[in-house]
Amino acid sequence: GAGVSQSPSNKVTEKGKDVELRCDPISGHTALYWYRQRLGQGLEFLIYFQGNSAPDKSGLPSDRFSAERTGESVSTLTIQRTQQEDSAVYLCASSSTVSEQFFGPGTRLTVL
Amino acid sequence: AQSVTQPDIHITVSEGASLELRCNYSYGATPYLFWYVQSPGQGLQLLLKYFSGDTLVQGIKGFEAEFKRSQSSFNLRKPSVHWSDAAEYFCAVGAKEYGNKLVFGAGTILRVKS
Repeated sequence: GAGVSQSPSNKVTEKGKDVELRCDPISGHTALYWYRQRLGQGLEFLIYFQGNSAPDKSGLPSDRFSAERTGESVSTLTIQRTQQEDSAVYLCASSSTVSEQFFGPGTRLTVL
Repeated sequence: AQSVTQPDIHITVSEGASLELRCNYSYGATPYLFWYVQSPGQGLQLLLKYFSGDTLVQGIKGFEAEFKRSQSSFNLRKPSVHWSDAAEYFCAVGAKEYGNKLVFGAGTILRVKS
């Protein structure tokens, strides 16, 4: 595709519900990254995929967060039993080898 | 631990004036350095990057940045600011040793006075 796409663009959910966020990376990009941006703050790294393996999950805030990737394609970030502190913009980025990361537009998650 | 500091949360400059946004980093490996810009409601756009070589790098929209290893800094500059430059600017650091995951600063919000 022309760029990284993410869906949904906005998600409003009730506390305690599970949510799935989707990222479609740029075709051919082997690396995929998830970040979180809370209101008024910088981006926090969550998890990194190289192909479909995740060498670095160190940024996942709790075991309620998980992610998977199918081959070198789509990735989903799942948040179980959402809490209000999970409200943020979730950004996905992809890159090829050692290069800049290209970011998607993000999913704005609001937990009521 | 890796960290990036952007000391200025907000900066206001007059249109046509010069701009310098500061970025300092603490990193345990040879870093790659980036500046991204985020306009309201928009995604992150890469302004420029430094991997190696010439320490003065040119980017899009007339921006440049200089890598100073001795000062662990990568300050962003523009000689003449335009009203359309008003946005939030993020400095980020990565390294191959850490899987190229980026560590971001907290951002600097630029306001441009006409």
